Formats: sequence, C-alpha cells, structure tokens
Amino acid sequence: GEDVEQSLFLSVREGDSSVINCTYTDSSSTYLYWYKQEPGAGLQLLTYIFSNMDMKQDQRLTVLLNKKDKHLSLRIADTQTGDSAIYFCAERQGAGNMLTFGGGTRLMVKP
Amino acid sequence: EAGVVQSPRYKIIEKKQPVAFWCNPISGHNTLYWYRQNLGQGPELLIRYENEEAVDDSQLPKDRFSAERLKGVDSTLKIQPAELGDSAVYLCASSLHDGEQFFGPGTRLTVL
Repeated sequence: GEDVEQSLFLSVREGDSSVINCTYTDSSSTYLYWYKQEPGAGLQLLTYIFSNMDMKQDQRLTVLLNKKDKHLSLRIADTQTGDSAIYFCAERQGAGNMLTFGGGTRLMVKP
Repeated sequence: EAGVVQSPRYKIIEKKQPVAFWCNPISGHNTLYWYRQNLGQGPELLIRYENEEAVDDSQLPKDRFSAERLKGVDSTLKIQPAELGDSAVYLCASSLHDGEQFFGPGTRLTVL
C-alpha cells in the first residue's frame, strides 16, 4: 500500500473552509508538502512545512502537522471556485529530495 | 522565465510500439526527475538525475524503459516496447540541488 494516504474527494460550498487530510508513515520525514494539480497541468507547490513545526500559515492556507499521529492537514479559508483541483500531500524522506506522494484529494467547490 | 517544458503533450500509440518523451528543465536546474502518474493516483518517481548522472533509478522498469540526460540539461525517457499498462501521464520536474521541484505539464500516453 501507499506510504501516504488521503481521502479521495471533498465537496464544499464557495466561501466555506476546506480541510484536506493526509496521513504518512515515515517518522523521519523532514519536510511535508502540499501540491495543487489543475486539469491538464503539472503539479504546483502550494506550501510546505518543516517537520519540527506544528503549524504554518500562508494567506488563506493553514498547514497543521501532528507528528505523533503522523497526520497533516491543509485548511483553505474562504474557498473559491478557482480552488477546485486535486490536492496532493507529499513527504520528503532522507537525502536527495525524494518525494512520496499521496493519491490526491479532489476538491470540488460549489458556487 | 520559461518553466519546465515537455513534449509531446499527448501521444497515442499501439502496444509494442516504441515511444519517447522529451523534457527541458528550468535553466540552471541541475536535478531532473521523471515521474509516472497513473489515473487517480499520485506521481511515482521513475528516475532522478544529478547533472548527467542517474542517481536513483530503482523504480525504473529497466527491461523496457530507458532514460538519458547526456549533457546534463534536457532529457529523454523512452519505452520500448510499450504495453497497455504504460498508459499514464509522464511528468518531468527539475530543481536546483535539493530545492523546490518545479513540474512540467506532463505527457499523457495512451497505449491501445
């Protein structure tokens, strides 16, 4: 099975907050990332968090990291229709910038 | 500044045919990655180059897949012969050493 797991789908209304969750298994992960993928496009790095941090906020995005439970979440405040996309979490393991991705969560924002 | 460029964007071939994908990384990025993304899944690393040297190709199916980055700049990924299960999006990414990875738009391969 995958080392990084995400729920498949999330639907929210425009203006609400979205919370996308991710669990990982490697306790030695140094960085954890959130990427966004729109249809027909490559992955765009949204934000990342270093493993010794609990929280990181960047404008509408808030990342929470629970190292004990190996749980990562991405909160998008005031979700807009343009936020509709697939969101991937990824963990960086060891040396060499090796990333392991989750299966992605499809976010649908209803007007 | 141009991002990571990949071509072709789409490719449809019959099984047992060869196929090649091309990637031009961001100028100055010494590290180049090839990923495969199956439908409904996250990307999986196939091979990573540091300049012209392949430093991690443990996930590359070497019986049919090959890659090269002869001058440490652009790279080609080849499949010969292609199988039905190779249908996927092939993503190229580049980074400056171990910094942020920037992804190209990918090549969507369909094997019939």
